[in-house]
Amino acid sequence: DAKTTQPPSMDCAEGRAANLPCNHSTISGNEYVYWYRQIHSQGPQYIIHGLKNNETNEMASLIITEDRKSSTLILPHATLRDTAVYYCIVRKIRNSGNTPLVFGKGTRLSVIA
Amino acid sequence: DTGVSQDPRHKITKRGQNVTFRCDPISEHNRLYWYRQTLGQGPEFLTYFQNEAQLEKSRLLSDRFSAERPKGSFSTLEIQRTEQGDSAMYLCASSLEVRTTNEKLFFGSGTQLSVL
Repeated sequence: DAKTTQPPSMDCAEGRAANLPCNHSTISGNEYVYWYRQIHSQGPQYIIHGLKNNETNEMASLIITEDRKSSTLILPHATLRDTAVYYCIVRKIRNSGNTPLVFGKGTRLSVIA
Repeated sequence: DTGVSQDPRHKITKRGQNVTFRCDPISEHNRLYWYRQTLGQGPEFLTYFQNEAQLEKSRLLSDRFSAERPKGSFSTLEIQRTEQGDSAMYLCASSLEVRTTNEKLFFGSGTQLSVL
């Protein structure tokens, strides 16, 4: 699976949009971009995933560039409860079964009141 | 609570002792994963099961580690002759739809192991 690069930390003011970037310049055609987050003392939690189109759900939006070499996770109105480590993961989807998620170090997002 | 359950939440042991952790996945989830996480790092993949079959093991999983999922439901992870380097959070996750893009992993809260 392709590697990802994320900034180690970011701050965001409460109520503002949090934009978390991820670089995955070696991504291949059958690899999807997944985002998970991990709040302190909990296991990771699925947020969103996509292939090439932008995606939105109740938690966040995912913007993937046209060349698919980078993406941005957007939390539209960050709250203090969004303080967590956010992981961007590139993963192969296969008919024989998906590859395991490979986590990097992620971005530590601190939402500040 | 219908989420992934792990037991115990915390385990303190002395070096050289054996420990066993249990994971109860979400009912009917056919895939079960084990990960390990140390402070400041992301979770590292250890192994996974599809039903009762162990399909892949990471090179991180030394001979002292063994995992089972005998009936395709709960799973156990045993560490023999524990070492201080085994101190970590051990996370379990389960999923369904493993051949589609809709596969989502649901993680438990983990077992924190401290080896003294």
